[in-house]
Amino acid sequence: DAMVIQNPRYQVTQFGKPVTLSCSQTLNHNVMYWYQQKSSQAPKLLFHYYDKDFNNEADTPDNFQSRRPNTSFCFLDIRSPGLGDAAMYLCATSTGTSGRMGNEQFFGPGTRLTVL
Amino acid sequence: AQTVTQSQPEMSVQEAETVTLSCTYDTSESDYYLFWYKQPPSRQMILVIRQEAYKQQNATENRFSVNFQKAAKSFSLKISDSQLGDAAMYFCAYRSAGEYGNKLVFGAGTILRVKS
Repeated sequence: DAMVIQNPRYQVTQFGKPVTLSCSQTLNHNVMYWYQQKSSQAPKLLFHYYDKDFNNEADTPDNFQSRRPNTSFCFLDIRSPGLGDAAMYLCATSTGTSGRMGNEQFFGPGTRLTVL
Repeated sequence: AQTVTQSQPEMSVQEAETVTLSCTYDTSESDYYLFWYKQPPSRQMILVIRQEAYKQQNATENRFSVNFQKAAKSFSLKISDSQLGDAAMYFCAYRSAGEYGNKLVFGAGTILRVKS
């Protein structure tokens, strides 16, 4: 089945130690999104890629970076994780970003990041 | 900016009964999409139902239906014949239909508990 895959499902890192989260998709979608979801809260969009075009949300901290080397893969890099960065990180994909189709977003299972 | 409000942090329903989850939103746009997403514990978020604002007819998907009141900016989800597998966090979300409508704006979520 076509899907959005996130690895690892659980990641533990130390305060200040860089960490990379991975997302891959077999849907061949143009757009890939990264959301941060803290406990019992709504997901918050960090940024998205439309093909190779990177779109950062205005309030996303500089500590968060992203790379998309090809259509299938997208990475979230946290350069110096703080305790406040502990959260679930969700990757999602869609065929486009606008228009009449509604462009449903398909979510991966998430990576739960713990910062010690 | 658009906002989405879910005023019920938690709801309970008896198996086989009907439950309605509330959602209101604020926007100055006339063309947009509304979604209900389901996030089971430790599992990925999936789309339950979608409503296009330009359609007056309420969307239905099997046991799930919405009551879309555009003038009142209300978008409630009705789950009929509730099943144990319906237990999850439910998020209401808004997306603009405009050229730059790439962003999902989520409500805070409602935890639905299903009692056997």
